[in-house]
Amino acid sequence: EPEVTQTPSHQVTQMGQEVILRCVPISNHLYFYWYRQILGQKVEFLVSFYNNEISEKSEIFDDQFSVERPDGSNFTLKIRSTKLEDSAMYFCASSVQGRRAKNIQYFGAGTRLSVL
Amino acid sequence: DAKTTQPTSMDCAEGRAANLPCNHSTISGNEYVYWYRQIHSQGPQYIIHGLKNNETNEMASLIITEDRKSSTLILPHATLRDTAVYYCIAVNDYKLSFGAGTTVTVRA
Repeated sequence: EPEVTQTPSHQVTQMGQEVILRCVPISNHLYFYWYRQILGQKVEFLVSFYNNEISEKSEIFDDQFSVERPDGSNFTLKIRSTKLEDSAMYFCASSVQGRRAKNIQYFGAGTRLSVL
Repeated sequence: DAKTTQPTSMDCAEGRAANLPCNHSTISGNEYVYWYRQIHSQGPQYIIHGLKNNETNEMASLIITEDRKSSTLILPHATLRDTAVYYCIAVNDYKLSFGAGTTVTVRA
């Protein structure tokens, strides 16, 4: 069964460093998403991406964050200068469609980001 | 997106049906009800969704009241592997707005 793949599974970085989290969405999917979950808290939406542009973003997704689809298979989340509060599990998701009737999102296993 | 309200936790006996309620009294006419679950900090997993008709798939059944103000997710024969946090989400656009969900513990 096709799945969303995320790498690395765990990333440790120093405060102020840039990190790039990588995702390979399911191959025929057109909509891509990033969510995060701080330990013990709820899953929070960050951004959705379609047709090479951001379709929606949350207040969390400020200028420190950016997303890119550098080629036909990868979808990346970059955090420019990490802060301690960026420590969280980051989930990538993809869906075939974005319309509410068929917006079934498939999630990856996540990347645990630890900022020291 | 409409707010949903779910019980914080519930227990279920293995092999029995688990009925998970969700209140969404402010849901608008074009919002769908989606259910996802998250097993121990893994990525959320889609279960089922519907607008106003009852739905069934290989994982679960979804019963939506006629006024659409509440719904119930039914796991027909709960197993230990169904222990997870279950989220009921009203969806109107691209994003999924997760709440705290219901922590379901299936006991042997």
